[in-house]
Amino acid sequence: SQKIEQNSEALNIQEGKTATLTCNYTNYSPAYLQWYRQDPGRGPVFLLLIRENEKEKRKERLKVTFDTTLKQSLFHITASQPADSATYLCALDIIRDTGRRALTFGSGTRLQVQP
Amino acid sequence: EAGVTQSPTHLIKTRGQQATLRCSPISGHTSVYWYQQALGLGLQFLLWYDEGEERNRGNFPPRFSGRQFPNYSSELNVNALELEDSALYLCASSWGQGTYEQYFGPGTRLTVT
Repeated sequence: SQKIEQNSEALNIQEGKTATLTCNYTNYSPAYLQWYRQDPGRGPVFLLLIRENEKEKRKERLKVTFDTTLKQSLFHITASQPADSATYLCALDIIRDTGRRALTFGSGTRLQVQP
Repeated sequence: EAGVTQSPTHLIKTRGQQATLRCSPISGHTSVYWYQQALGLGLQFLLWYDEGEERNRGNFPPRFSGRQFPNYSSELNVNALELEDSALYLCASSWGQGTYEQYFGPGTRLTVT
């Protein structure tokens, strides 16, 4: 069956360190992969989009890699700050049962940056 | 530029009633998406509208329905409410069809008692 897996356990790191979050998927061949940030009780906020033919994408302190062979994306936050504490969601475009593509979200990983 | 707006912020209904949730997309966006996020769970795709038509639907029963108006705003209707429908309902919009980045509203918290 098709799955998007993100580590359900919270990731706790010290301020200034690099946070690395993982998104694994099975039985998908997504054309895009996206990362979002979600704070409690609020809607997700788009961060980065990476295409299947791109290996890496950067935006300020954020870096995303996309390995279609391993079926994995890594999301890095360098020089992390307590304000980066949130849940981070990966999302893949997939072909649903209807035959049409739709964005499907993983369950997210909670990041806690300790001052 | 105004973001995606949703109303109401909170909605309390009893079992068997109907709920109507509303969403206004970012100006210029033609696609509107609806998601359900139950407490502690991930986002579950509900519906996608573009140019007034339903383009895709998630694995939800027919009592979840909606529509998109000519001004691209959208409405989600949930009939015959059940306790397990209690969740945060999120609306998102994007420029084009499918998998462009999506911009989310603040959500409507629906509580069914």
